[in-house]
Amino acid sequence: DADVTQTPRNRITKTGKRIMLECSQTKGHDRMYWYRQDPGLGLRLIYYSFDVKDINKGEISDGYSVSRQAQAKFSLSLESAIPNQTALYFCATSDGGTGANEQFFGPGTRLTVL
Amino acid sequence: EDQVTQSPEALRLQEGESSSLNCSYTVSGLRGLFWYRQDPGKGPEFLFTLYSAGEEKEKERLKATLTKKESFLHITAPKPEDSATYLCAVMTTDSWGKLQFGAGTQVVVTP
Repeated sequence: DADVTQTPRNRITKTGKRIMLECSQTKGHDRMYWYRQDPGLGLRLIYYSFDVKDINKGEISDGYSVSRQAQAKFSLSLESAIPNQTALYFCATSDGGTGANEQFFGPGTRLTVL
Repeated sequence: EDQVTQSPEALRLQEGESSSLNCSYTVSGLRGLFWYRQDPGKGPEFLFTLYSAGEEKEKERLKATLTKKESFLHITAPKPEDSATYLCAVMTTDSWGKLQFGAGTQVVVTP
């Protein structure tokens, strides 16, 4: 069973539509992250959360919002999707208590905005 | 500004032909350097964390090393199943808990 799951896995939508990407984890980690990946640019951090009441903007948060509904759930929303938000989106988790800091990634959501 | 640069962008190897990937970094203070493997259409998979210059870690045919300015991922006698994109990332003392990734090196190993 996957420790970090993302839904949907693929989504095609139109410009201006509202989209929500969901992430759930069974690892018991307190920290969760949202990244996007574009060819040649690597992974870039959108938002991160170190616990349920903590939400922080990352490197490229404009046009995105997040909600941490529970320790195990972290959702990413695109309020009004635009074509340059077409990308691979990854959720990740880490355990802030161990000090090890490695992050564990979900399988990704491929989003296409037409 | 912190920077992470990986080279080469792409690497094509014959099976058994050892090689090294480079990850150079310019950061205010390094807290850790991370290596990941990513297969097409999948999420990155954690390989190693290195914390201080001189540290080395190994896993099967992979060995990661760290100096004060760069890290190397050595692939010894690669097999086709080692084909993947290898990503490095840094965590700095100013961005504790967050990773900054390089663009990756795509490795293709042919039989």
